[in-house]
Amino acid sequence: DVKVTQSSRYLVKRTGEKVFLECVQDMDHENMFWYRQDPGLGLRLIYFSYDVKMKEKGDIPEGYSVSREKKERFSLILESASTNQTSMYLCASRPRGQLQTQYFGPGTRLLVL
Amino acid sequence: DQQVKQNSPSLSVQEGRISILNCDYTNSMFDYFLWYKKYPAEGPTFLISISSIKDKNEDGRFTVFLNKSAKHLSLHIVPSQPGDSAVYFCAATVDSGGGADGLTFGKGTHLIIQP
Repeated sequence: DVKVTQSSRYLVKRTGEKVFLECVQDMDHENMFWYRQDPGLGLRLIYFSYDVKMKEKGDIPEGYSVSREKKERFSLILESASTNQTSMYLCASRPRGQLQTQYFGPGTRLLVL
Repeated sequence: DQQVKQNSPSLSVQEGRISILNCDYTNSMFDYFLWYKKYPAEGPTFLISISSIKDKNEDGRFTVFLNKSAKHLSLHIVPSQPGDSAVYFCAATVDSGGGADGLTFGKGTHLIIQP
């Protein structure tokens, strides 16, 4: 059974703090993704990675960076958190070439005060 | 500019009846479409998909129809059950072969099945 885990379910941070969101998958998937979900806006792609140390910007990368040092782990970094980054963050992974098998983690609900 | 549109934020259907969720897209490069289901406090789970070479795909109670000329797809659930109450996301992508691209999602439709 594929498992995508995220380090925290809920997180509260202050404006200006550096925030790390961690995601780990256990199925040796090449592709990993970070989305954010906001009411009325659906899921929007922030960054994705198709291999170790590789990263690509998604639709809304501003204010975020990512790190993929190991295949199983994909980190999302908020360099200086702002209130408009309060959101639900969802990590996903997918084997190369298999579009229908994208698995999501449970999400991290981040509140920036 | 939204490339995948779900114009109904919510839909209420009686148990046992058919639920029809609609999705429109504007990017003609999209050639693979998926539906995801999401319960509160959980990540989305894959439901059903369709390639642009087909116009229909069926899996149990779920059927997805694709009308390429209209850039429209729909998800039919029949019969609807209480456990189907969730938010449904339509997603699209370009099947470039490498499968590395992220999915473009619609805003979601909250389906409520009434007993």
